[in-house]
Amino acid sequence: AQSVTQLDSQVPVFEEAPVELRCNYSSSVSVYLFWYVQYPNQGLQLLLKYLSGSTLVKGINGFEAEFNKSQTSFHLRKPSVHISDTAEYFCAFSGGYNKLIFGAGTRLAVHP
Amino acid sequence: DARVTQTPRHKVTEMGQEVTMRCQPILGHNTVFWYRQTMMQGLELLAYFRNRAPLDDSGMPKDRFSAEMPDATLATLKIQPSEPRDSAVYFCASGPPGGYTFGSGTRLTVV
Repeated sequence: AQSVTQLDSQVPVFEEAPVELRCNYSSSVSVYLFWYVQYPNQGLQLLLKYLSGSTLVKGINGFEAEFNKSQTSFHLRKPSVHISDTAEYFCAFSGGYNKLIFGAGTRLAVHP
Repeated sequence: DARVTQTPRHKVTEMGQEVTMRCQPILGHNTVFWYRQTMMQGLELLAYFRNRAPLDDSGMPKDRFSAEMPDATLATLKIQPSEPRDSAVYFCASGPPGGYTFGSGTRLTVV
């Protein structure tokens, strides 16, 4: 079965510290991978995506993610977070028939 | 910037009433998704279409929910009759594979 697992439901971090949000997927077919961010009472905004090519992808707001096919992972990183990065982050993939499947989300809380 | 437009933004209705939510996908996008978001269940895929044809609606309660794309510029999600447990935010998304854009959602409250 196709699925996405976000290993941490909540990640607290201090401002200017680095952060990694973990994501693993399960699929028997090639996939496209995405990270979306959702600020309170807003819709989902695309942070970055992996379609093919370089396994390190850069997105908006200083975020980047690395696709690791052997470990079926697509972890999101940022070297220095800001208070404004506090939000919910969703990992997703699109596989067979381009069905878009989401993980449960990780709540990033950045503290001063 | 092109955007996915959802109407209404907010809807409060009484149990038993019909609710219709609308989505205008970005012009040229051939895949349209409907999701429901709640605190307990997170983001649930209800249905999706490609080139207006339904591909999968297995996430939808069939007895009360229906989703259609009467034309390429409009997708609708209907609930009849509505129940309090349907209270949630409903999102529409459109795109080509590899780049999906979400609307701002319809916040539905059934009392």
